[in-house]
Amino acid sequence: GNSVTQMEGPVTLSEEAFLTINCTYTATGYPSLFWYVQYPGEGLQLLLKATKADDKGSNKGFEATYRKETTSFHLEKGSVQVSDSAVYFCALRGEETSGSRLTFGEGTQLTVNP
Amino acid sequence: EPEVTQTPSHQVTQMGQEVILRCVPISNHLYFYWYRQILGQKVEFLVSFYNNEISEKSEIFDDQFSVERPDGSNFTLKIRSTKLEDSAMYFCASSEMLAGGFFGPGTRLTVL
Repeated sequence: GNSVTQMEGPVTLSEEAFLTINCTYTATGYPSLFWYVQYPGEGLQLLLKATKADDKGSNKGFEATYRKETTSFHLEKGSVQVSDSAVYFCALRGEETSGSRLTFGEGTQLTVNP
Repeated sequence: EPEVTQTPSHQVTQMGQEVILRCVPISNHLYFYWYRQILGQKVEFLVSFYNNEISEKSEIFDDQFSVERPDGSNFTLKIRSTKLEDSAMYFCASSEMLAGGFFGPGTRLTVL
């Protein structure tokens, strides 16, 4: 079945540092890939997505590129802010049906210190 | 901006009681979902719903659970005879085709 593996957290960075959160997946065919963010006490917000190989999703300074050859979708940001402190979830939706379930990774807690 | 809403935000219940969690999906979306997140753990899929019927369910979604779309706007999750291990945050989501899904803010269920 489908699965998503994220780098273990928590991750602690200083403001303006470079962020990478690794995400790899296992799925047949060409799944769609997503990053969600969960701020303290809130629900999940879609951060960015990519639906086909080599697509780059971007939003709010975050980027992730769909790499089919390495089955990866790593999240990056060039300069993090304190307000980026949250839990980040990588997720995939299998290609078998467009309305199918999302499979989530374990989540990575990011703390950004001033 | 359209959003998914959920009520209540927090539900406390006694073990063995029934609860109904309510969601209002985004109006033009066709697919509806329930997920749950036990504290400190990953988000888990429970069930998806399309065209007034369940399209997929996980092994978690046993006979204790049921979903319903009682009218044109609400989508409910019923949990019969709640257990301690049902304590979690329950998220409703909705999506159009080829979309990841927009999530509601969640209902925190506490079973005592």
